[in-house]
Order: sequence, then C-alpha cells, then structure tokens
Amino acid sequence: KAGVTQTPRYLIKTRGQQVTLSCSPISGHRSVSWYQQTPGQGLQFLFEYFSETQRNKGNFPGRFSGRQFSNSRSEMNVSTLELGDSALYLCASKGTNTDTQYFGPGTRLTVL
Amino acid sequence: GQQLNQSPQSMFIQEGEDVSMNCTSSSIFNTWLWYKQDPGEGPVLLIALYKAGELTSNGRLTAQFGITRKDSFLNISASIPSDVGIYFCAGLKGAQKLVFGQGTRLTINP
Repeated sequence: KAGVTQTPRYLIKTRGQQVTLSCSPISGHRSVSWYQQTPGQGLQFLFEYFSETQRNKGNFPGRFSGRQFSNSRSEMNVSTLELGDSALYLCASKGTNTDTQYFGPGTRLTVL
Repeated sequence: GQQLNQSPQSMFIQEGEDVSMNCTSSSIFNTWLWYKQDPGEGPVLLIALYKAGELTSNGRLTAQFGITRKDSFLNISASIPSDVGIYFCAGLKGAQKLVFGQGTRLTINP
C-alpha cells in the first residue's frame, strides 16, 4: 500500500498571502489529521476530518481551515499568512477501528 | 490542556550502547504510540501499545505501556548510526486528539 502523500513538499509564501496544502491518505483510511510542527512548539494538532466532516479541532485561529473530499483526500488552507506560520505541516491518516496514525512526509512552509 | 513530559530531551551516546527514554502524563491514556522522525521528514511509527502493562518489541526496540496508563517507555538496544533522529511519544484517550511529547533527540558517536 502506498503511504500518506503530501503536496507540495516545499512552499515559500509572503505575509498576507494564502496557501493550500494537500494530503492523500493511505488507501482505505477515512480519517485525516493535520499537525503543525515548529521547533518552539513541537507537534500541535490542527484538526481531524472523517468522512468529509471535521471531527476534532485544535486551538488554532480561524485562518486555519480544512476540508475533506469524498475520496478522503484532504486540504488545509491558511489565509492571511503570518511569519509565525512558517512550519512543517504534517498530515496523518488512520483506518477504521484503530488509533494508529501514519504520517506523511510533510509540507515545509516558509513565510517571508 | 493535556501534556506529555518526555525525557530526556537529548541523548549523546556511543554506538553499541543501549538507550532508554520515557513519557509521563498526569492523564490516563488508552493508547501509546512511539514515532521516530528524521530531519525534513514526517514521523514514522515504531511501536503501538494498546493495553496497560503491554510490552512490545520491534527488532532492537522495546516499548511498554505503563500499568498506571500514565506512562510509557522506549528502549533501543545496541544502538547503530541509523538510530539517530528525534523520538516522539504520543498518547490518545478515546476519540480525542493525539497528544505528543516534546521529543528526545538521539545523537550517536561512532
């Protein structure tokens, strides 16, 4: 089975712009979670989607949003980018009746 | 919010030595996961633990789910250079979000 894939792998944006990141889960997995990883804050949970519905949400401002499509692929959007949004954004998928999450390689976002 | 205290934060060891790291929490978890992350990559699952007291091995790695359900440890035996990286513990309770430790950075001197 192919693993979790994320595109793009690297992205450079400027303050004020918006960005959309994409995640394709492992085939058959319906849950996709998004995390932000920074040196200072570590891995922080953004949100989880299951069957096109947001099931859990972390403590991030409304500029961070996401969605999930019927094929379980998910996108994350960040609007009005700030310098502090520079981070590695990771998505993870998990199958039904399991707690084990599998991570993608991440998208490295740099905001200038 | 819930937090996991992972220690040590960093380790500098000689190749061939055994490694031990642990995570503790003030909350009870139903699942403990251990991940390894290489620079610029996503975390890779090493071991998953689902039952208090469970001891699980994956090659040279051994992890245990604490009896109190508030802690877990990971041991690496006979370390090799490719063990270098950052190790994360993560805990899960019910349908809540996965909570991560701060990570243990492992450096190995050949």
